[in-house]
Amino acid sequence: EVQLVESGGGSVQPGGSLRLSCAASGFTFSNYWMHWVRQAPGKGPVWVSRIKTDGSSTSYADSVKGRFTISRDNAKNTLYLQMNSLRAEDTAVYYCARRGAAYDAFDIWGQGTMVTVSS
Amino acid sequence: DIQMTQSPSSLSASVGDRVTITCRASQTVSRFLNWYQQKPGKAPKLLIYDASSLQSGVPSRFSGSGSGTDFTLTISSLQPEDFATYHCQQSYSISLTFGGGTKVEIK
Repeated sequence: EVQLVESGGGSVQPGGSLRLSCAASGFTFSNYWMHWVRQAPGKGPVWVSRIKTDGSSTSYADSVKGRFTISRDNAKNTLYLQMNSLRAEDTAVYYCARRGAAYDAFDIWGQGTMVTVSS
Repeated sequence: DIQMTQSPSSLSASVGDRVTITCRASQTVSRFLNWYQQKPGKAPKLLIYDASSLQSGVPSRFSGSGSGTDFTLTISSLQPEDFATYHCQQSYSISLTFGGGTKVEIK
C-alpha cells in the first residue's frame, strides 16, 4: 500500500524549533518530488516547500523562507522539514505530499501532524 | 503569487443535484489546475489534475473544465459521500497556491 506517515509535531514556544519526518512506503520514494503543505485550523491548505527527487533542488513559500529547511534521505525513504524560529502563525496541521509522476498535483498525502506554536 | 478565488464559498444541495464550483486565477495558469476533496479531519484527496483529467479511482460523476483563468468542477449527481470541502490549486507557478475552498453541505 502506498503510504506517507508524518511524525514530529507537537507544541512549542515562539522562537523554538521542531523537525518533522515523513516516512514513505509502497512506492519508489527516490523517483518522486515531495512537498510539505500546511493547513491552519479552519483555513485552506497552503503550500510550504518542495524537494526534487535527489534533493538537489528545493523551493519555499516566502512565509517560511530562511526559517524552514526541507531535506530527504532516499536510503531511509524519509522526508524531513526542519522548522526554526517558529511563530504563532506557523500553527497548523503539516502534511507531506507526493507529486504525481506524470502531472504536477499532489496524488498521495499523509495523515498530517499538528504543530502548535504558543507561549 | 497567483491568487485563486473560489465561488461560492459554501452551498447547500440535495442528493442527486448537479453541482458546479468555480475557481478563478489572478493570472493565467494555462491548464495547470487541480481539484481536491477534503473531509473533516482528513487530508485532501486528488480528484482532477490538469484541469480535466480524472484521477484514477475517482467516480466519473466528477468532471473538470476550463483553461487560462477560469475553471469549473462539476458533480453531475451529488451522492451522500460527496458532502465535503473542495479546493482548487494551481501548479503553473513555482509558488503553488490553493483557493479558499467551497463547502458542500446537505440541504
